[in-house]
Amino acid sequence: GAGVSQSPSNKVTEKGKDVELRCDPISGHTALYWYRQSLGQGLEFLIYFQGNSAPDKSGLPSDRFSAERTGGSVSTLTIQRTQQEDSAVYLCASSSTLGNTIYFGEGSWLTVV
Amino acid sequence: SQQGEEDPQALSIQEGENATMNCSYKTSINNLQWYRQNSGRGLVHLILIRSNEREKHSGRLRVTLDTSKKSSSLLITASRAADTASYFCAIPPGGGGSNYKLTFGKGTLLTVNP
Repeated sequence: GAGVSQSPSNKVTEKGKDVELRCDPISGHTALYWYRQSLGQGLEFLIYFQGNSAPDKSGLPSDRFSAERTGGSVSTLTIQRTQQEDSAVYLCASSSTLGNTIYFGEGSWLTVV
Repeated sequence: SQQGEEDPQALSIQEGENATMNCSYKTSINNLQWYRQNSGRGLVHLILIRSNEREKHSGRLRVTLDTSKKSSSLLITASRAADTASYFCAIPPGGGGSNYKLTFGKGTLLTVNP
């Protein structure tokens, strides 16, 4: 596609429920990133996928968070048993193997009530 | 971890004035990037400056890099109300490489008053 596409753009969920956030990167981009941004804060790195290599999960805040990337393209970030502190904008980004520029999607705004 | 720190945290100027934002970091870098974010979502890549470059231009944007001082600045000339946004510097881990992730500072909130 022309840009990084994320869905849903907004999600309100009850505490304790699971949520899935989807990211469709730019076609041909092998690197995919998930970041989180809480209100008024900077971006917090969550996870990074590069081609077929094992993902860098060092930023995931707890074992309630997981992500997968099927077929080297679309990625899903799953948050289990959501908590109120999970409320944030979840941003996905992608980049080509050789380039350094990262392109971001518009984000998924998650509100846990 | 390597992280840029933007300064000031907030900046308010009048339309037509220039805006300067700064970013400082701690260790050696291959490149430094500036991003813009409107309304808390959708970061947009503005400019990338490599460690062997001292200055780079893109339209009304001018970025400088001083590796000896470990600092970069972003200058927006002839600002417009539409430039109102948060601006972030982002830095890859030292050496780049295959395990590559950017770290972002908390940003500078720029408000351009009409």
